[in-house]
Amino acid sequence: GAVVSQHPSWVICKSGTSVKIECRSLDFQATTMFWYRQFPKQSLMLMATSNEGSKATYEQGVEKDKFLINHASLTLSTLTVTSAHPEDSSFYICSASGPGLYYNEQFFGPGTRLTVL
Amino acid sequence: TQLLEQSPQFLSIQEGENLTVYCNSSSVFSSLQWYRQEPGEGPVLLVTVVTGGEVKKLKRLTFQFGDARKDSSLHITAAQTGDTGLYLCAGAVSGSQGNLIFGKGTKLSVKP
Repeated sequence: GAVVSQHPSWVICKSGTSVKIECRSLDFQATTMFWYRQFPKQSLMLMATSNEGSKATYEQGVEKDKFLINHASLTLSTLTVTSAHPEDSSFYICSASGPGLYYNEQFFGPGTRLTVL
Repeated sequence: TQLLEQSPQFLSIQEGENLTVYCNSSSVFSSLQWYRQEPGEGPVLLVTVVTGGEVKKLKRLTFQFGDARKDSSLHITAAQTGDTGLYLCAGAVSGSQGNLIFGKGTKLSVKP
């Protein structure tokens, strides 16, 4: 299957700082990338969908000014958590999809564990 | 609101037993994917089914897509301890940007 990387794998930051998470598709062109959030023992919650070169589409209840998403190339999307607070601590996972992949398949990155102190 | 109900939520079985996980919805999906997720890692795609009634096999795992493309099942034969993990089904709705609707997951524990 297609490979998606995510960096960093974990990050600890102080309250009020900003954190950037990168998501890269390594062997395919990702025209669409998705950002999810997952709380312990729960399923994935879609935060936003981004298409290369376009503004991201955010799900209801997700603050677009707090979770900045940039998808400037076909292989890279970034999620910046601005002015992070302890309640933003979570497991953030990206996924990518693109032409040439079979029927809406999304391939996931390994996730980023964010802890805000 | 489109929902994909997955059951059971938890399953604890002995090695060698068989099990089935179900995903049901009132919505029609253009495709449905099954993923397996280990703690602290991202989900790994197991299979994609797209045709009503389709059956796909992956070693001891058998996946079926309902005739009406509203439901799916995952059957594991002779479970092994290595099958332990969180199994997620996800349906793609026609006309969406490829967005997937995820079930809540089935946490499977296979004991030796």
